[in-house]
Amino acid sequence: QVQLVESGGGVVQPGKSLRLSCAASEFTFSVYTMHWVRQAPGKGLEWVTLISSDGSKKYYDDSVKGRFTISRDNSKDTLYLHMNNMRTQDTGVYYCAREDLAAVGRAFDYWGQGTLVAVSS
Amino acid sequence: SYALTQPPSVSVSPGQTATITCSGDKLGDRFVSWYQQNPGQSPLMVISQDTKRPSGIPERFSGSNSGNTATLTISGTQAMDEADYYCQTWDSNTGVFGTGTKVTVL
Repeated sequence: QVQLVESGGGVVQPGKSLRLSCAASEFTFSVYTMHWVRQAPGKGLEWVTLISSDGSKKYYDDSVKGRFTISRDNSKDTLYLHMNNMRTQDTGVYYCAREDLAAVGRAFDYWGQGTLVAVSS
Repeated sequence: SYALTQPPSVSVSPGQTATITCSGDKLGDRFVSWYQQNPGQSPLMVISQDTKRPSGIPERFSGSNSGNTATLTISGTQAMDEADYYCQTWDSNTGVFGTGTKVTVL
């Protein structure tokens, strides 16, 4: 059964940094494009960033561009999100999601359980 | 930037049909996915590529997309379908989610 397990969330002060991890198992991680999606408390889903299977292509939402960096280590089956200069608006649950290989037009076929990030002084 | 608009809430009686709309400029020219999210849980894909139902998703879930509107239809709605639903598409290589719709089964 495909598993995505996020970790690294916590409380951080504005302007500080945090790194999230997403450990993948039970599928060939290295062939899949991966995404981060977040959800502020009581709000809707917000796409954050994606990275191609080999790490050569990365795209970001404007709200995090220049502050967040997505990366992956295919030898460790792990996805990362490096968050710098964090803002209170970055508070929320962060999900990693796998892109469906079979879908024409991107879709997220598996999601992790999420990790909570709280930016507060 | 590209935006997707959904009604905040939809109410439906058990056994009836729930229709959730998702509006965006020329949305029919893009592929749309739909996600179900129960309170405190991760989202679950119920429709991809406008109309495709993943394995394990009940046949009562169906989708369509034309013009400026994509639609998720739940036929014979059950109590277990009460949840938040989000449409999603792509603007170049940037993901866009709809505003979300809470479906209440009365």
